[in-house]
Amino acid sequence: DTGVSQNPRHKITKRGQNVTFRCDPISEHNRLYWYRQTLGQGPEFLTYFQNEAQLEKSRLLSDRFSAERPKGSFSTLEIQRTEQGDSAMYLCASSRLAGGGFTDTQYFGPGTRLTVL
Amino acid sequence: DQQVKQNSPSLSVQEGRISILNCDYTNSMFDYFLWYKKYPAEGPTFLISISSIKDKNEDGRFTVFLNKSAKHLSLHIVPSQPGDSAVYFCAATGDSGGAQKLVFGQGTRLTINP
Repeated sequence: DTGVSQNPRHKITKRGQNVTFRCDPISEHNRLYWYRQTLGQGPEFLTYFQNEAQLEKSRLLSDRFSAERPKGSFSTLEIQRTEQGDSAMYLCASSRLAGGGFTDTQYFGPGTRLTVL
Repeated sequence: DQQVKQNSPSLSVQEGRISILNCDYTNSMFDYFLWYKKYPAEGPTFLISISSIKDKNEDGRFTVFLNKSAKHLSLHIVPSQPGDSAVYFCAATGDSGGAQKLVFGQGTRLTINP
């Protein structure tokens, strides 16, 4: 079990540039989540995939944000025309659908820290 | 609106004593609760969870208590060890048939003093 991995771990960019982050979930986990965490706050939900389908998006995810999960494996989160307010830790989590009305446990990656100058 | 609240930003406990971290929630639809621990520069690590059909769940040194009528849960760590020093997040979800997105509190920084 290699855990959830995220790349890059750190990204510094200038305002207006596009950035892309990658998340590799635990193998055989069919659910994948993106969260954002700002200083002094807990993580906030951004979006969720079950296999390759993006099933829910938060209102926090503006039109400048797009996420994909081709073939239901790794996922990418792209931010276009970055703004200083996008500076945050972007966390990815994965879980295996438990089914039967049970709640699965989400396991988090180390995150990508984005700094927009 | 903050649906999950951790009102203590920090807590300091002596090694070997009990640490008690508290969490309150407002959404009565929440039916599953989790605690995560986070070290600097790492992602949150799952610790323990509890379903709303229970009032207590224990795993080694960690016990979570749920009081549904008060919409309150707590995490007890006993005995506390220096390695327990971290930020602890309470999280809740109420969508067992759907996305199960987690709603987090702001976190409590626990410091264990030798």
